Amino acid sequence: DTAVSQTPKYLVTQMGNDKSIKCEQNLGHDTMYWYKQDSKKFLKIMFSYNNKELIINETVPNRFSPKSPDKAHLNLHINSLELGDSAVYFCASSQGPGQGQETQYFGPGTRLLVL
Amino acid sequence: GDSVTQMEGPVTLSEEAFLTINCTYTATGYPSLFWYVQYPGEGLQLLLKATKADDKGSNKGFEATYRKETTSFHLEKGSVQVSDSAVYFCALGPIGGGADGLTFGKGTHLIIQP
Repeated sequence: DTAVSQTPKYLVTQMGNDKSIKCEQNLGHDTMYWYKQDSKKFLKIMFSYNNKELIINETVPNRFSPKSPDKAHLNLHINSLELGDSAVYFCASSQGPGQGQETQYFGPGTRLLVL
Repeated sequence: GDSVTQMEGPVTLSEEAFLTINCTYTATGYPSLFWYVQYPGEGLQLLLKATKADDKGSNKGFEATYRKETTSFHLEKGSVQVSDSAVYFCALGPIGGGADGLTFGKGTHLIIQP
């Protein structure tokens, strides 16, 4: 019954490694997002996809690459992990773009720790 | 650009106290407004929303009214419980409902003591 799910929930890894976080939504939504929450709880949009097409990419390093194999999935791949990448990453989805369709539903988050 | 300002806290109250968490925004246009809540170790849950001026969103005893004249969306609850302890985020949606992300405030950590 989980609406937006992410795996893994926790990820501990070494600097320089490559890792992926997966996100799936079963709400039938057209738009999906990735957010980063830093250690002070501040949330910032990273990417948004609409129907598998990249809509926004907010000043995120090239080491971060989102991939959307279908409308229900948006994965985040991170190359050459750095200490500053340690954060909680949230996936979200909304019904679409369009007035009244922009309410976003969030996954449980992936807590990434880079050592 | 668009921005949201909210009191950062922590805000500490006793059980059954009245709660107000202030939120003001800057936006070109009239975005939808949201309150999200994050319980310890969990993701964000939508608490309530309002899509146009003078709309009141309400849920679980919480309410907030979209005030265009003061560009505010303050969160209130008449009698808080220990279980309301969490971080509360005010957010504004993309103008015209586009596929841009939400713009969040920095969050207000609320602590309710028995």
